Amino acid sequence: QKEVEQNSGPLSVPEGAIASLNCTYSDRVSQSFFWYRQYSGKSPELIMSIYSNGDKEDGRFTAQLNKASQYVSLLIRDSQPSDSATYLCAVNSGSARQLTFGSGTQLTVLP
Amino acid sequence: EAEVAQSPRYKITEKSQAVAFWCDPISGHATLYWYRQILGQGPELLVQFQDESVVDDSQLPKDRFSAERLKGVDSTLKIQPAELGDSAMYLCASSSRAGTGSGTEAFFGQGTRLTVV
Repeated sequence: QKEVEQNSGPLSVPEGAIASLNCTYSDRVSQSFFWYRQYSGKSPELIMSIYSNGDKEDGRFTAQLNKASQYVSLLIRDSQPSDSATYLCAVNSGSARQLTFGSGTQLTVLP
Repeated sequence: EAEVAQSPRYKITEKSQAVAFWCDPISGHATLYWYRQILGQGPELLVQFQDESVVDDSQLPKDRFSAERLKGVDSTLKIQPAELGDSAMYLCASSSRAGTGSGTEAFFGQGTRLTVV
């Protein structure tokens, strides 16, 4: 089992809809969770961090964390074509609290 | 705005040659990561430094890869000899600290796109 798993997609949503991205992780001790956005050919860009159970909102983005279920998600409200990218989930895990990434979910927002 | 600097942006090298990548983290960031990302996959951690010390290099192919961060600031990743399968994006990231909670957010440089021919 991979340490961090994401649905690879691709996920397509119409402009203005809510995009929902999901991630599960295997290390129960993990305490820090991150979402990165990566445009094609570019490096990952941090968009959200979350450390405690519940929801965290930042503009159109909401991160949700459920440590009991080992599940973290990202909601993008009012999706825009500029949101089309690969979204990477990352988790601090391991003895050195390494930052481990999932394989990413490719999101396409259709005009 | 503080950012992670990487060079070169692009590198084409022949199989069996040596290649090196350089990274300068955000000032004051103690933790430095080198990742390799193959097209269509997530970043894979190669090595993690805390100051000048290696804290994780379990996924680093040590027969051909080496990494150093001599003064705990900038870092160099070297491949010798390069193989065709090393073609990938090499990403450097830094964070204020490792562990959990605020301050562990990692910020990436622009990456080095390596092509081995």
